[in-house]
Amino acid sequence: DQQVKQNSPSLSVQEGRISILNCDYTNSMFDYFLWYKKYPAEGPTFLISISSIKDKNEDGRFTVFLNKSAKHLSLHIVPSQPGDSAVYFCAASIVGNAGNMLTFGGGTRLMVKP
Amino acid sequence: DTAVSQTPKYLVTQMGNDKSIKCEQNLGHDTMYWYKQDSKKFLKIMFSYNNKELIINETVPNRFSPKSPDKAHLNLHINSLELGDSAVYFCASSQDLAWNIIAQYFGPGTRLTVL
Repeated sequence: DQQVKQNSPSLSVQEGRISILNCDYTNSMFDYFLWYKKYPAEGPTFLISISSIKDKNEDGRFTVFLNKSAKHLSLHIVPSQPGDSAVYFCAASIVGNAGNMLTFGGGTRLMVKP
Repeated sequence: DTAVSQTPKYLVTQMGNDKSIKCEQNLGHDTMYWYKQDSKKFLKIMFSYNNKELIINETVPNRFSPKSPDKAHLNLHINSLELGDSAVYFCASSQDLAWNIIAQYFGPGTRLTVL
């Protein structure tokens, strides 16, 4: 039973254009969301996060949008660069929940073409 | 300096053996975690541990046990290895703040292959 889903296994974008990665969740108790980036043979690297009290958080080229009513979040990368090519995971958690454990989506492989 | 390190990077072993994976973090974090990434690439939490409590994902078999000699280390012991244990195991750490989620920092992973 996947509580966090990334329905697009892969996405291909031209360098300089916008990349939009999507994530849906089913557990309405989730109130904190994170995006991680993963290169092959490395561990996931934290990118950006958002609390459920916000609908947008921006950090440089990365912006995360949260639509609580739709239980949907997205990561926008503008402009996309070839070095952004990686697998992106969204993750969700419940603030104050024992262990602060993250529930991950299945990942989306982003390919940015030069 | 590597923030979260794991050894070994690769581990190949026979079914039925007992093995350990070591994890160390130099970030001064309070909480450490173990995740399993299976063949379908899903990352699933196994354990969350700080000096106060161990939280175990209920789906984890009791053949798996985390052991923490000190705050900077959380090792994963696996007894009686099975073929289905083959996966990549990631260690992670974060600062424990009950009122907020702090991002977890991951190690490079250990690829375990059980033959």
